Formats: sequence, C-alpha cells, structure tokens
Amino acid sequence: GENVEQHPSTLSVQEGDSAVIKCTYSDSASNYFPWYKQELGKRPQLIIDIRSNVGEKKDQRIAVTLNKTAKHFSLHITETQPEDSAVYFCAATPGGYQKVTFGIGTKLQVIP
Amino acid sequence: ETGVTQSPTHLIKTRGQQVTLRCSSQSGHNTVSWYQQALGQGPQFIFQYYREEENGRGNFPPRFSGLQFPNYSSELNVNALELDDSALYLCASSFIGGAGANVLTFGAGSRLTVL
Repeated sequence: GENVEQHPSTLSVQEGDSAVIKCTYSDSASNYFPWYKQELGKRPQLIIDIRSNVGEKKDQRIAVTLNKTAKHFSLHITETQPEDSAVYFCAATPGGYQKVTFGIGTKLQVIP
Repeated sequence: ETGVTQSPTHLIKTRGQQVTLRCSSQSGHNTVSWYQQALGQGPQFIFQYYREEENGRGNFPPRFSGLQFPNYSSELNVNALELDDSALYLCASSFIGGAGANVLTFGAGSRLTVL
C-alpha cells in the first residue's frame, strides 16, 4: 500500500519568511496529492492540491510542486503570516475508489 | 448546502465498552471515509463506505466496524474498547464518480477518551 513520509515534523519561521514542507510517496499509481491545514482543535481543511499531470500549482502565497520521477512533492508558503501557524498534512492517493494516505504532519509556527 | 457533521463531539468510555460515532455527509457526496487521528499524528485510514458497502479498509481489527445508510450518512462502531483507541475520529465525505480524485471534506471529529 501507499506510504507517505513528511518532513520536517516542526518548523519555525519569522513572519514574512518562506516555509517549505516536503513529502515523499511510495506508490507510483498515486496521481492526486492534496494538502490539508489543521488549526488547533479544528478539522483538516484542504488548502491546495495537485494532480500528476502538472508539475506546479500556485494559489496566492501557496504553491505545490510535484516530481513524479522522484516521487516527491512539496508545499511552499511565501510571506508567512501568524495565521499560517497550524499543522499541515500532505496526502496521496491513486484516486477513484482508493484511500487517501496522509503524512504525519508538520507543525508550522510563524513568529511575529 | 451543509458540510460534514459528526456526533458526539466528545465522549469518555471505559475499557471493554462499545461506542458508536455518527457522521452526516456533505450534500452531493456519496462516500464516507473514517480516520483515526492520535495526538500528534496524521489521520490513519480505518475504512471507506460507498453505496452502503465497505470499500477499502486500513490496518484496523474487526472490532472496528461501520455502516452507511441510504442517505449516505454513516456510523463507526468500536467494540471492546482499549486504551489505545483514545483518539480523534474524523469522518470525511467525498464524491466518487469514474476515475476522479477522492477529494475529502472533513467533519470536526469526535474525540474519544478511553479510561
């Protein structure tokens, strides 16, 4: 089955700096890679996703890159703000009826 | 359009007891997945229900079981509770049709404490 590894487990950045979270996956059949943000005591919320037919996707200050050959994908947050502080989860799935497998999570702290 | 709702939000049980958690899926969704999230960990897949049948299962013992109803709502049942079952249980609904991606929408979770 799919295995998703995520690092770092914790990340502290100064407000305004960039943050990068990296994930690797094992199943070459995976073709959909979502990222979720979970604030303390709240539900995971989808913030961005990428499909295997593209290498990069941007949405304002957030971008995701995918390297299918290396089975790597990364989340990039630019100009970080205190409200970006949360736990971020990467995930992978072959799509269709297949389960979504999550990474262990990265706790991001943005220091004002 | 309503989101995913779960009940109860918090509950405390003792070892050996049984628990039932409930989930109402988002309007337009036909699939429900259940995840267990231990403190400081990522969500772990328990199982998925589609058309009222289990459609995929993670590494959880048979004492974890579920149901999906005709209105796409779902229940998670856990028998013979163990201390390690203490966790946040997340329900996520999605629409599966053809080869499209399984885009999950999560509920707020049910936090179970086993004493």
